[in-house]
Amino acid sequence: AQSVTQLDSQVPVFEEAPVELRCNYSSSVSVYLFWYVQYPNQGLQLLLKYLSGSTLVKGINGFEAEFNKSQTSFHLRKPSVHISDTAEYFCAVTVYNQGGKLIFGQGTELSVKP
Amino acid sequence: DTAVSQTPKYLVTQMGNDKSIKCEQNLGHDTMYWYKQDSKKFLKIMFSYNNKELIINETVPNRFSPKSPDKAHLNLHINSLELGDSAVYFCASSQDPQGTPSATQYFGPGTRLTVL
Repeated sequence: AQSVTQLDSQVPVFEEAPVELRCNYSSSVSVYLFWYVQYPNQGLQLLLKYLSGSTLVKGINGFEAEFNKSQTSFHLRKPSVHISDTAEYFCAVTVYNQGGKLIFGQGTELSVKP
Repeated sequence: DTAVSQTPKYLVTQMGNDKSIKCEQNLGHDTMYWYKQDSKKFLKIMFSYNNKELIINETVPNRFSPKSPDKAHLNLHINSLELGDSAVYFCASSQDPQGTPSATQYFGPGTRLTVL
């Protein structure tokens, strides 16, 4: 079975500082990796996804993530955060032949302070 | 234009009642999903439909019954509501013919269900 662990439940950071949100996964088969963002009282929006190819993936709003197969990680980074980045961030995986269901981590609450 | 819409946005009801949540997508997608987000914000798949056919049915109590009248709609009916059903329910859709794992899922705004 597959599982996703987000190592930090809360990450407070000051505006314009860099941030890294950590995600590790466990799977015996190949996975596809996703980061979604949930702004307060809204649905989820895709930030980026890794399917294959280059291990560095760039997404919307200046975010990027790096797939590391040997460490089974897919950490999300942004070099300089804004107040508007305050949200809940979810790492997720899907695998072949499971109907496309997303298996989510527990979420990381990013709080950007002025 | 709203891509994936859900009604109602908030639903407050008593234990034992029956309620429905509606979901519609105007993206022309083939696959639709229901996810449940609990009070700790953990998200878990409940069901998915591909072109009106059920393809995922996780271990969900049979009080929950999805219905897909056409591929643009996936409604969730819940019988005999219990306190533990209180959660936020998200509908999602994706453009793929067979639940392709690489397809992006587009989420609705959620329905917050409170059972008293």
